[in-house]
Amino acid sequence: AAGVIQSPRHLIKEKRETATLKCYPIPRHDTVYWYQQGPGQDPQFLISFYEKMQSDKGSIPDRFSAQQFSDYHSELNMSSLELGDSALYFCASSLGIQNEQYFGPGTRLTVT
Amino acid sequence: SQQGEEDPQALSIQEGENATMNCSYKTSINNLQWYRQNSGRGLVHLILIRSNEREKHSGRLRVTLDTSKKSSSLLITASRAADTASYFCATDAYSGNTPLVFGKGTRLSVIA
Repeated sequence: AAGVIQSPRHLIKEKRETATLKCYPIPRHDTVYWYQQGPGQDPQFLISFYEKMQSDKGSIPDRFSAQQFSDYHSELNMSSLELGDSALYFCASSLGIQNEQYFGPGTRLTVT
Repeated sequence: SQQGEEDPQALSIQEGENATMNCSYKTSINNLQWYRQNSGRGLVHLILIRSNEREKHSGRLRVTLDTSKKSSSLLITASRAADTASYFCATDAYSGNTPLVFGKGTRLSVIA
């Protein structure tokens, strides 16, 4: 079965650079979530989209923005990167709300 | 904080034994999900239990939910070395919305 696809899988950036992470949800899933997991930490919710509209916002810094496109894929844009942004970034998708969220493999971002 | 807590933080058992992990949360929920994560890898969805359910089974997994105590347990029977991973519970603790709030996780080690 098709799973959530994230790209790139690994990304190395320098401080103050920008990064764009992409997420392709499971086909027919209309809801996308972004989570950040720091080293040794539990995942923290950043932002979610339902039917291409932002549905909820968590602890996402103002330096980050995201959107969901007409084909339901989503992009997380990160600017003015800081060392503390180094983390695993997960995207999850679900069919509608209040249903199982299936996670992608994550993008490991390293900021040097 | 709306985050749940998991207990124990770490668990080490012999192959073939049962493993029980507990999760507590603080707010009313719509559902509770359990995930497995191998070190530095993606989150694998294990099971979802809704707030009106008390018990659910999936293969060697048994999940219980006690909404009066705001707690859940995950039982893995006849454990295998391949079950070695971190296990997280996650709740949709935001009223009417669905982003997940993760617990701190239990690190399970199954020794062959």
